[in-house]
Amino acid sequence: EDKVVQSPLSLVVHEGDTVTLNCSYEVTNFRSLLWYKQEKKAPTFLFMLTSSGIEKKSGRLSSILDKKELFSILNITATQTGDSAVYLCAVFNFGNEKLTFGTGTRLTIIP
Amino acid sequence: EPEVTQTPSHQVTQMGQEVILRCVPISNHLYFYWYRQILGQKVEFLVSFYNNEISEKSEIFDDQFSVERPDGSNFTLKIRSTKLEDSAMYFCASTNGGVGEKLFFGSGTQLSVL
Repeated sequence: EDKVVQSPLSLVVHEGDTVTLNCSYEVTNFRSLLWYKQEKKAPTFLFMLTSSGIEKKSGRLSSILDKKELFSILNITATQTGDSAVYLCAVFNFGNEKLTFGTGTRLTIIP
Repeated sequence: EPEVTQTPSHQVTQMGQEVILRCVPISNHLYFYWYRQILGQKVEFLVSFYNNEISEKSEIFDDQFSVERPDGSNFTLKIRSTKLEDSAMYFCASTNGGVGEKLFFGSGTQLSVL
């Protein structure tokens, strides 16, 4: 069974700090890894990663994938209160059509 | 930016009743999905739908569940006889990119079964 594990489960930091969120996975035939931000309801898309070592960047957020060690990290620099959310990691494999999600990391930014 | 819309945002029902959750996927998308999230738990896959038929479903998606695309815009999830354990946030999602591509999620329907 596909498995996605995120750490830490929760994180509280002060505004301006940099955070690193971790996602490790075990899937039978990896296709892609996706990061989502979930504030109140809908998960909103952040990044999709398919290749190792290529950093994806969007403003203060960046993410990278290591397919050899089977993990990804999501970095947020100069955090703001608006970054407070649950960050979800999910993977697709080639064998099926479902996204397998981790439990998420709840990030709280203190002003 | 186009978005997936879901109605209602909240639905309260009695155990044993039928409910229909409605979704309008992004207009040029071809692949549609339902996921659910029980409070405090992971987001879980229910079903995928392409070319007017179910392409994959999970063990959760038993005979009490069905999906339909009754016209060119709506995508519905029906639960025939709700159980207490069906209480969850139900998310609709769509993509135009096929399997493995980014999914766009709706804001969800919170279903409470009493």
